[in-house]
Amino acid sequence: DAGVTQSPTHLIKTRGQQVTLRCSPKSGHDTVSWYQQALGQGPQFIFQYYEEEERQRGNFPDRFSGHQFPNYSSELNVNALLLGDSALYLCASSPLARQGYEQYFGPGTRLTVT
Amino acid sequence: DQQVKQNSPSLSVQEGRISILNCDYTNSMFDYFLWYKKYPAEGPTFLISISSIKDKNEDGRFTVFLNKSAKHLSLHIVPSQPGDSAVYFCAASPASNTGKLIFGQGTTLQVKP
Repeated sequence: DAGVTQSPTHLIKTRGQQVTLRCSPKSGHDTVSWYQQALGQGPQFIFQYYEEEERQRGNFPDRFSGHQFPNYSSELNVNALLLGDSALYLCASSPLARQGYEQYFGPGTRLTVT
Repeated sequence: DQQVKQNSPSLSVQEGRISILNCDYTNSMFDYFLWYKKYPAEGPTFLISISSIKDKNEDGRFTVFLNKSAKHLSLHIVPSQPGDSAVYFCAASPASNTGKLIFGQGTTLQVKP
């Protein structure tokens, strides 16, 4: 049973560029959440997707957007990258009925903005 | 506004002894609490959780205690093993069950052989 997978593992981008990160949820999970983890901090909630709709959003600017596909996989897009966007981006999945409880995380994508 | 705080950045214990990791929260609407463990280059792994209607939950070597009046929870690991060395995050979920987990800053645990 495959867990949550994310791609790519690492990414280096230049300020002002755009980036797309990808996530496949754990089998049987239909809800995907995205978190940003800055160095030395805990993960910060970006947004959550269910049934291809954004259900809830954290305190992140509109430069951060997402998408969920019919197979429940998801993308996180960040436009006009800033140096401060450098972080580990984590995807987490859960069944909707348990979405406020245990979430299962992928290994993350390390984004470096230069 | 840090609603979940882990005030100890690091903790070092001897193998076989007890590890106690602490977490404080400010929002009384939180109704579910979780502990995650994170190794380098891996995502956080769910460890143990507790509902606000309980004050203790135990799973093998791991026990989580919740003191609602003090808005404090702790994770006890007994006995500690070198493989437990990792960063531990506590997280809280709002009562609305919206799927948003709010994490503390993490505590790095080192268990010395």
